[in-house]
Amino acid sequence: AQKITQTQPGMFVQEKEAVTLDCTYDTSDQSYGLFWYKQPSSGEMIFLIYQGSYDEQNATEGRYSLNFQKARKSANLVISASQLGDSAMYFCAMRPNSGYSTLTFGKGTMLLVSP
Amino acid sequence: GAVVSQHPSRVICKSGTSVKIECRSLDFQATTMFWYRQFPKQSLMLMATSNEGSKATYEQGVEKDKFLINHASLTLSTLTVTSAHPEDSSFYICSAPIRGRRNTEAFFGQGTRLTVV
Repeated sequence: AQKITQTQPGMFVQEKEAVTLDCTYDTSDQSYGLFWYKQPSSGEMIFLIYQGSYDEQNATEGRYSLNFQKARKSANLVISASQLGDSAMYFCAMRPNSGYSTLTFGKGTMLLVSP
Repeated sequence: GAVVSQHPSRVICKSGTSVKIECRSLDFQATTMFWYRQFPKQSLMLMATSNEGSKATYEQGVEKDKFLINHASLTLSTLTVTSAHPEDSSFYICSAPIRGRRNTEAFFGQGTRLTVV
């Protein structure tokens, strides 16, 4: 079984600042993937970034980077140069790499970006 | 790229009626579709897994007779909320895993906001 923990119910950041959203996980699988999704008020789930458990380098996608520390089982999302449009709910999720397993989601962190 | 199209995006129905939600995979074949429910300010909770041509697998606590899932083709999965009640009001969203460079990244539908009055 997998478990995702997001300890920050809400985060505030000023526009153009960087922000880190925390995520820790627990799994007995050796090969797995870690995902971050953004969910604006419209409800759609927007894929942001992926990190494989065997990837040696931290994943980056534009302004998003994933600070992957395997020994600590953490996969924090870093958003650089925050924009007003980044205000949304952010979910960390994971899935074993075998088969078509479902994603296990954390409880989410609501990010509010202020001018 | 691969897209999952979900309809309707919003529906209001009277208590006791049934509502059908469709999820179609565009440009790829979805042998598996996951159905989630999300209550306000909460995370996504898996309700069931549908596989093309076979019966859906429901999570514990989800009534299979109330939430009917059909996955009759490789591009269409449907969720029917039967005899809906106000407590069924929620956000329902589907996702289909697909093997890609991100290794089974899931593609989500746009979601359906159901309100039962």
